[in-house]
Amino acid sequence: EVQLVESGGGLVQPGRSLKLSCAASGFTFSNYGMAWVCQAPTKGLEWVASISTGGGDPYYRDSVKGRFTISRDNAKSTLYLQMDSLRSEDTATYYCARHDWALDYWGQGVMVSVSS
Amino acid sequence: DIQMTQSPASLSASLGETVTIECRASEDIYNGLAWYQQKPGKSPQLLIYNANNLHTGVPSRFSGSGSGTQYSLKINSLRSEDVASYFCQQYYNYPPYTFGAGTKLELK
Repeated sequence: EVQLVESGGGLVQPGRSLKLSCAASGFTFSNYGMAWVCQAPTKGLEWVASISTGGGDPYYRDSVKGRFTISRDNAKSTLYLQMDSLRSEDTATYYCARHDWALDYWGQGVMVSVSS
Repeated sequence: DIQMTQSPASLSASLGETVTIECRASEDIYNGLAWYQQKPGKSPQLLIYNANNLHTGVPSRFSGSGSGTQYSLKINSLRSEDVASYFCQQYYNYPPYTFGAGTKLELK
């Protein structure tokens, strides 16, 4: 069974950093691209970043370029999202998802709140 | 960026009814389209990929169709467990991958 479990969320002040993790199991992690998708409270879904199987060539939505870094450790079957210079508008639930063109499996999500 | 326009924003239907949700892309996405279901308080789940392929384990009362810029999700014989929000997403032209704004389906 494919499982994706996010962790690392919480309340953080504007301008500070947070690092999310997503532990994967039930499939060969190194064979799949991975992504982060966010959802602000009562809003729709917004793609944040994606990374290929080997970790090279990550890509981001414009609003997080230069602030967020997606990475992966295939030996640990874990995906990461380093979030720097956080803003109030980054407040959302963050989901990790497996990329097989479509996002075919999603984690349960982790909440990030940016507020002073 | 490709814009995805989804309609309606909300929908109320009775048990056993057939409902259709539409998604229009701002340019041809060559069937690079997925539909997701998100139940209240839960994470999204893939229903349909490549416009008309049913994801593993998804009931056959769900179906997808369309081509070019126009796509639709149909739910036959509506059941109570289908109450959810539904989102379309294009993955033909990226970055960014873009989602529709969602359709909230309720029971009448």
